[in-house]
Amino acid sequence: DIQMTQSPSSLPASLGDRVTITCRASQDIGNYLRWFQQKPGKSPRLMIYGATNLAAGVPSRFSGSRSGSDYSLTISSLESEDMADYYCLQSKESPFTFGAGTKLELK
Amino acid sequence: QVQLQQSGTELVKPASSVKISCKASGYTFTSNYMHWIRQQPGNGLEWIGWIYPGNGNTKYNQKFDGKATLTADKSSSTAYMQLSSLTSEDSAVYFCATGSLDYWGQGVMVTVSS
Repeated sequence: DIQMTQSPSSLPASLGDRVTITCRASQDIGNYLRWFQQKPGKSPRLMIYGATNLAAGVPSRFSGSRSGSDYSLTISSLESEDMADYYCLQSKESPFTFGAGTKLELK
Repeated sequence: QVQLQQSGTELVKPASSVKISCKASGYTFTSNYMHWIRQQPGNGLEWIGWIYPGNGNTKYNQKFDGKATLTADKSSSTAYMQLSSLTSEDSAVYFCATGSLDYWGQGVMVTVSS
């Protein structure tokens, strides 16, 4: 199975900060990488697909990038509504695998 | 608009089975994969598998082979997942999601307890 190593597991940050979450894939996944946001008690929300494409309705302060086997989600200027858990997902091959998640919280 | 409406909370006994549903609307049910995802309490997300309702083809995460069975009813645009031989480890929230993973159901909490 493809392993997705996500870091950090917890990210304390202040409003207005630029934050970055990273996933490293254990094998080549091309751009078959999605990012999800999940708030407590809610379903995950697709934020980024194809590694770099913003999903519909997602604010432009979110962006996705790729450098080799490292994939990043960046929030350019943190807002209070962004406090949530974030997960990456590879869909290159079965079984699809998620990263372990990053809890983004106020410092 | 696309909607996935899942069935309600389940409290089931160990060693039993449960079947949860996901009713789709607002898109062509038979032309899109339906994924199922598990989230154990306080844990992350695990992909269980997908079904293609158009022909009933399925793909499972090997971890869930023998545990989960995915089916679909084209006439009612409803996908189902049956979980068998339940243990406390199966207590979790189960989500359905469309093929692009851009629309998700609200989740079904399954609690396995005697």
